[in-house]
Amino acid sequence: SQQGEEDPQALSIQEGENATMNCSYKTSINNLQWYRQNSGRGLVHLILIRSNEREKHSGRLRVTLDTSKKSSSLLITASRAADTASYFCATAFLGGYNKLIFGAGTRLAVHP
Amino acid sequence: NAGVTQTPKFRVLKTGQSMTLLCAQDMNHEYMYWYRQDPGMGLRLIHYSVGEGTTAKGEVPDGYNVSRLKKQNFLLGLESAAPSQTSVYFCASSELRDTGELFFGEGSRLTVL
Repeated sequence: SQQGEEDPQALSIQEGENATMNCSYKTSINNLQWYRQNSGRGLVHLILIRSNEREKHSGRLRVTLDTSKKSSSLLITASRAADTASYFCATAFLGGYNKLIFGAGTRLAVHP
Repeated sequence: NAGVTQTPKFRVLKTGQSMTLLCAQDMNHEYMYWYRQDPGMGLRLIHYSVGEGTTAKGEVPDGYNVSRLKKQNFLLGLESAAPSQTSVYFCASSELRDTGELFFGEGSRLTVL
């Protein structure tokens, strides 16, 4: 069974708006990662947050992690049409040889 | 720097045929993985390898075999293809550590008729 579940499944916004995607997981993790996938392409790593971190920033991306609620959120600020893609959270377990378990993803559409 | 390269990119098979997907990475990574991606299901781990000569089962290994004879290559084989194996297959690699990003190939789209 999949570890992570993203919410919402699909999100449609206008350029300039913020986009927030949520991820919930079931068991203890070593770290949580977010990936982006453009249509028909491979996944690209966006950001990694460790289990002892609560918030992390990278450019227009902000990730939070709440291990007590087993949840994470990805915020994309001032979105652009080029941010249109699917976004996946992935969880890694301690001693798991860096195996990542992926959620089903959120499809983000940013309209000009 | 090519990163992770998958071949072929597209393949159509008939039920019962066999084939091999090749993944090659030029980053000297120890860990390599094969995932499959189906609509609405995200990525599921098929098999992985933690070094040359080693392989291990992931979440959905049935119907697939793998080999890691050389550090830079990870092969995924289907001995007798089934329509349920119609999917997009992704190879990924990462460095030898317990945390870190995965580097993905562009995917191989397989259709089994």
